[in-house]
Amino acid sequence: SQQGEEDPQALSIQEGENATMNCSYKTSINNLQWYRQNSGRGLVHLILIRSNEREKHSGRLRVTLDTSKKSSSLLITASRAADTASYFCAPFNAGNNRKLIWGLGTSLAVNP
Amino acid sequence: GAVVSQHPSWVICKSGTSVKIECRSLDFQATTMFWYRQFPKQSLMLMATSNEGSKATYEQGVEKDKFLINHASLTLSTLTVTSAHPEDSSFYICSARVERVSYNEQFFGPGTRLTVL
Repeated sequence: SQQGEEDPQALSIQEGENATMNCSYKTSINNLQWYRQNSGRGLVHLILIRSNEREKHSGRLRVTLDTSKKSSSLLITASRAADTASYFCAPFNAGNNRKLIWGLGTSLAVNP
Repeated sequence: GAVVSQHPSWVICKSGTSVKIECRSLDFQATTMFWYRQFPKQSLMLMATSNEGSKATYEQGVEKDKFLINHASLTLSTLTVTSAHPEDSSFYICSARVERVSYNEQFFGPGTRLTVL
């Protein structure tokens, strides 16, 4: 299985602080994607990092990937209350029938 | 990104009735759509892969006769929960896949909350 496992399961911070979430997986990957899910809503694609990349930025998001440790991290800087959501990582291997397998996610609460 | 819609947004039905949920890709064609179920504070669980013009592929443990999937066109897939029971109450989310050269990007619908009384 190439399920991603997020850590921590829940995180509560104050507005303006940085939030870091981690993802571990078990098999080789072609890329890894991070998604956000607001309560009761579908998932929104945030960022994709390929297996030959180590770091990627998108606005206030910074993603790192360490393929030797089979782990990735998502950093949200200067968090806002609107960042409150669940965050999921999805490791992807083209050989696995192109399915994304999901972990439980990290539930982030940003307090105003 | 591409837009995926679901209809209805929520539905409440009596036990024993059937409920149909639609998933549409609004501005692109999707040969493959996925149906997920999500229970409170749980992750998304893939139920089935819907392929346009062919039978759906169901994940282990998902009853194909209970969850009927029809992908009749490149922009529409439907999930019918037949003879619904209270334990079928859940949040159902569909996604449509866009094939890129080396990765798979999915666009998700807003979800349908099903409550079976």
